[in-house]
Amino acid sequence: AQKITQTQPGMFVQEKEAVTLDCTYDTSDPSYGLFWYKQPSSGEMIFLIYQGSYDQQNATEGRYSLNFQKARKSANLVISASQLGDSAMYFCAMREGKDTGANNLFFGTGTRLTVIP
Amino acid sequence: GAGVSQSPRYKVAKRGQDVALRCDPISGHVSLFWYQQALGQGPEFLTYFQNEAQLDKSGLPSDRFFAERPEGSVSTLKIQRTQQEDSAVYLCASSPLGSYSNQPQHFGDGTRLSIL
Repeated sequence: AQKITQTQPGMFVQEKEAVTLDCTYDTSDPSYGLFWYKQPSSGEMIFLIYQGSYDQQNATEGRYSLNFQKARKSANLVISASQLGDSAMYFCAMREGKDTGANNLFFGTGTRLTVIP
Repeated sequence: GAGVSQSPRYKVAKRGQDVALRCDPISGHVSLFWYQQALGQGPEFLTYFQNEAQLDKSGLPSDRFFAERPEGSVSTLKIQRTQQEDSAVYLCASSPLGSYSNQPQHFGDGTRLSIL
C-alpha cells in the first residue's frame, strides 16, 4: 500500500484565491511527521510546513496551513491568497518514527499547481 | 548559511559508463539521505548515513549503486555500468539528528542524470 497518496495530478487556482491540495497517508506508527514541500521547475525542494502526529493544533506558516484530520489520516495543504509564484509541484511526505534525522521520508506523487492571473 | 550543495547539476553519460554524484551537506548535519526522483514522480529513498556509517541502504535498486561518506561530511553516490533506467534526478538531503519537532530534511538542488 502507498504510504502517501496525492490524488490530484494537477490543480488550477485563480490568483488571490485559496486552494486545497489533498494528501492522505497510511501508517501504523503512532509517532510520525507530515511535511509539505514545493518543487519549482528549477528543481529544488523547498520545505513549507510540518505537522507532528501528536500536535494538537493545525500547523500554519504564513499563507500555508495544514488541515490535519488524524482519524481520516489526511493532511491537506491550504494555500491562501495564491500568487503567481506559487505555481509549482507540491509534494506531501511522511516520516515514520520520532526523529526526522533518523528516518527517511516517503513522498507522494505530487500535485502540479498552476496559478492563473 | 550555506545549504546542501550537489554537483554536478547535470550529468550526461553513455550507457555502461560509471558516474559519481557529490553531495556536500549543511555543516554539522549528522544525517544524510539520498533520494531518486524519476520524471513525474516523487522522490524515493535510496540510502541513509549517520556520520560515516551507512545505516540503511535498502532503497538502492541494484548492486550497481554504491554510496559512501568516508569522513562523515561529503557523500558520493556512484552508479556503475549505467543503464537508461538510471536516468533521474538524484537528490541529497541532510538533517540534524534528534529532529523531533518541525526540523525538516534540507534538500539540495539535485543532479539530473541522463543516460544515453
